[in-house]
Amino acid sequence: GQQVMQIPQYQHVQEGEDFTTYCNSSTTLSNIQWYKQRPGGHPVFLIQLVKSGEVKKQKRLTFQFGEAKKNSSLHITATQTTDVGTYFCAGAAYGGSQGNLIFGKGTKLSVKP
Amino acid sequence: NAGVTQTPKFQVLKTGQSMTLQCAQDMNHEYMSWYRQDPGMGLRLIHYSVGAGITDQGEVPNGYNVSRSTTEDFPLRLLSAAPSQTSVYFCASSYYEGRDRGLGYTFGSGTRLTVV
Repeated sequence: GQQVMQIPQYQHVQEGEDFTTYCNSSTTLSNIQWYKQRPGGHPVFLIQLVKSGEVKKQKRLTFQFGEAKKNSSLHITATQTTDVGTYFCAGAAYGGSQGNLIFGKGTKLSVKP
Repeated sequence: NAGVTQTPKFQVLKTGQSMTLQCAQDMNHEYMSWYRQDPGMGLRLIHYSVGAGITDQGEVPNGYNVSRSTTEDFPLRLLSAAPSQTSVYFCASSYYEGRDRGLGYTFGSGTRLTVV
């Protein structure tokens, strides 16, 4: 079945350093979504990428979708303590149902002030 | 709007007991899903629905049943609880992709279930 792999599992950074998490799918995706979950909270939707090679920015966050639509990345510039949490990517297989949204295991980010 | 409402927030069950986790959304979303979250395992899809009367299995459906009689409600039933079902359960909903592809899923606040 479809698998979505995410690395690294953990990342510890000093405040102000950059952070990147990578997502790879075993199958071609129709789209990729990114979520953030704060400790003790629920996942919150950040963004969706649909087009091959698409790049989107949200303030200090940059999201990319690979040309083959099988990988994606999230880059945070100059991390802040408010960025702490676990970042998940999630994808639906191309030709499949958007309802069958498979999540990666997430990257847990900690930021040292 | 309340968004996605899950009840109860906490539950302790004995092995073999059955129960229903409730999920309701007031956003008229077509898609609804149930995920379980275990440490180090991320979010795993249990069942999902693309509309009233339509359900399908996700990655880990065994031991769980769902039904979708209305657009608003998507209950998850544990038929005979087992310790392996101890987890945090999240319900989520979304518009279907043809209607709005930019909003993603809205998650409920979760149900923390312990099976002893």
